Amino acid sequence: GAVVSQHPSWVICKSGTSVKIECRSLDFQATTMFWYRQFPKQSLMLMATSNEGSKATYEQGVEKDKFLINHASLTLSTLTVTSAHPEDSSFYICSARVLARGYEQYFGPGTRLTVT
Amino acid sequence: AQKITQTQPGMFVQEKEAVTLDCTYDTSDPSYGLFWYKQPSSGEMIFLIYQGSYDQQNATEGRYSLNFQKARKSANLVISASQLGDSAMYFCAMREGAGQAGTALIFGKGTTLSVSS
Repeated sequence: GAVVSQHPSWVICKSGTSVKIECRSLDFQATTMFWYRQFPKQSLMLMATSNEGSKATYEQGVEKDKFLINHASLTLSTLTVTSAHPEDSSFYICSARVLARGYEQYFGPGTRLTVT
Repeated sequence: AQKITQTQPGMFVQEKEAVTLDCTYDTSDPSYGLFWYKQPSSGEMIFLIYQGSYDQQNATEGRYSLNFQKARKSANLVISASQLGDSAMYFCAMREGAGQAGTALIFGKGTTLSVSS
């Protein structure tokens, strides 16, 4: 299957700082990537849909100024959590689909963010 | 309204027994896909099985089968011969529409499966 990587796999930052999470498609080009957030023992909640070369589409309730998404190339999307607070501590997962490869959606391994 | 409903927060099963994880969905789109993912404690999302809305046969993948009842809008996952390694969180998910890369999967709340020896 297609490979999606995320970096870092885990990060601890202080309250008020910003953190950037990278999502790369390693063996395919992804015109669209999806960002999810997952709190412990809860579901994956879609945060935004990231489109290469254009602005991301955010889900209702997700602050676009706080969660900056950039999809500068067909293989890289980044999520920056700005002015992070403890309530932003979560597991962030990116995902992509390749139409040519059918129905499957490929997930990155996730990034665990802890804000102290 | 919830598009994907998983009513079992936790399920317990003994090794070698079969278990059914429930999932119901809600959509007015005639074209959709239903997915099951396994998420162990490591957090990775492992794809298990897929069922398209127009598929006539129930999907099967090894020990996994999907009991697709379109009229009832249910897509239950059946795991046969449970193994200790099956202990994990299981998510049912749906994608509406066909042929669009920009449509995201929407997930249910998940079911935690515990397999005991």
